[in-house]
Amino acid sequence: QKEVEQNSGPLSVPEGAIASLNCTYSDRGSQSFFWYRQYSGKSPELIMFIYSNGDKEDGRFTAQLNKASQYVSLLIRDSQPSDSATYLCAVLNTGNQFYFGTGTSLTVIP
Amino acid sequence: EAGVVQSPRYKIIEKKQPVAFWCNPISGHNTLYWYLQNLGQGPELLIRYENEEAVDDSQLPKDRFSAERLKGVDSTLKIQPAELGDSAVYLCASSLAGDTDTQYFGPGTRLTVL
Repeated sequence: QKEVEQNSGPLSVPEGAIASLNCTYSDRGSQSFFWYRQYSGKSPELIMFIYSNGDKEDGRFTAQLNKASQYVSLLIRDSQPSDSATYLCAVLNTGNQFYFGTGTSLTVIP
Repeated sequence: EAGVVQSPRYKIIEKKQPVAFWCNPISGHNTLYWYLQNLGQGPELLIRYENEEAVDDSQLPKDRFSAERLKGVDSTLKIQPAELGDSAVYLCASSLAGDTDTQYFGPGTRLTVL
């Protein structure tokens, strides 16, 4: 079982819609969760991190964490074409090891 | 403030040859990471340094890969000998205070092994 799993997509949404990206993790004791964005041919850049159950909002982005279900998600409101990228979920597990998922490719259609 | 610097940006070598990648982290960042990223995959951690100490090298293939960070600043990752399957992007990242802080990634080195 992989440490972090994501639906690879591709996910397509129209401009202005809400994009929902999902991630599950295997280590129940994991405490820190991250969402990175990676444009084609570029390096990952951090969008958000979340440590506590519930929602965390930052502008158009909302991270949601449910530790009981071992599930973390990222919502992008009012999606823009510039949001088109691969979104990587990452988890810091109880062994203090950092794992990335394979990423979900998002395309926002104008 | 300068970001994470990596060189070279691209490298093409023949199999069985050695290759080395260099990384200079953001000034003051004591944590340095080396990742490998294959096309369509997420980055995979190879090694993590806290200052000059390798605190996690559990996923580094030690038969052919080695890394060093002698003075706790810049770092070198070496592959000897390279194999066809080593073709990938090698990413270096740094952060201020360990894993839970923001990691800043360099531009990466794209390695092609022929």
